[in-house]
Amino acid sequence: QSVLTQPPSASGTPGQRVTISCSGSSSNIGGNTVNWYQQLPGTAPKLLIYSNSQRPSGVPDRFSGSKSGTSASLAISGLQSEDEADYYCATWDDSLNGLYVFGTGTKVTVL
Amino acid sequence: QLQLQESGPGLVKPSETLSLTCTVSGGSISSSSCYWGWIRQPPGKGLEWIGSIYYSGSTYYNPSLKSRVTISVDTSKKQFSLKLSSVTAADTAVYYCARQDQAATGTGFDPWGQGTLVTVSS
Repeated sequence: QSVLTQPPSASGTPGQRVTISCSGSSSNIGGNTVNWYQQLPGTAPKLLIYSNSQRPSGVPDRFSGSKSGTSASLAISGLQSEDEADYYCATWDDSLNGLYVFGTGTKVTVL
Repeated sequence: QLQLQESGPGLVKPSETLSLTCTVSGGSISSSSCYWGWIRQPPGKGLEWIGSIYYSGSTYYNPSLKSRVTISVDTSKKQFSLKLSSVTAADTAVYYCARQDQAATGTGFDPWGQGTLVTVSS
């Protein structure tokens, strides 16, 4: 059972803005940077956002990340059909001598 | 461009040891800013970090798996490996290897291998 909680699903129509939340605690999000991954059906996860809000080269600026306190968010603006995927937040947890934890995952559906 | 490729048996018997290797190409495995990790995903479920290794051999393991996991590195072959002992059906998953380059993407894993499905069954 993950210590990072995400809504199981989110949806929107093409062009809309969708936001995914990731809730944690002081031992993980509260004290460490957050990463976000996109997993298209049948493929390996891909790093979408690192260090709370940074995009790796090649990731469209439609994707943005933010963090406040013990929560983080991923926003997808101008939603496109190819954005239909599972999204996971992740960070280090300083309890138990260190642990990289993933969120529970959110399935984004483009209506 | 750095690429990672997992290899190993796709079927392991219960109570035996799962062994996988990740081969790194297109870059150095000995970079001072990089850690190399294993992550798994049971069918239809979420992601779980198994552990990571530095090129010098320093390791970090998921506490929930620590008693059964060994990760090692062979810099001459540009490979790092995973051994998971005493497997059960609960260890059936797609296993991914990935890089953490602190200088490039902080603690984010990038890139990932394509993944390999390991089924635990007699």
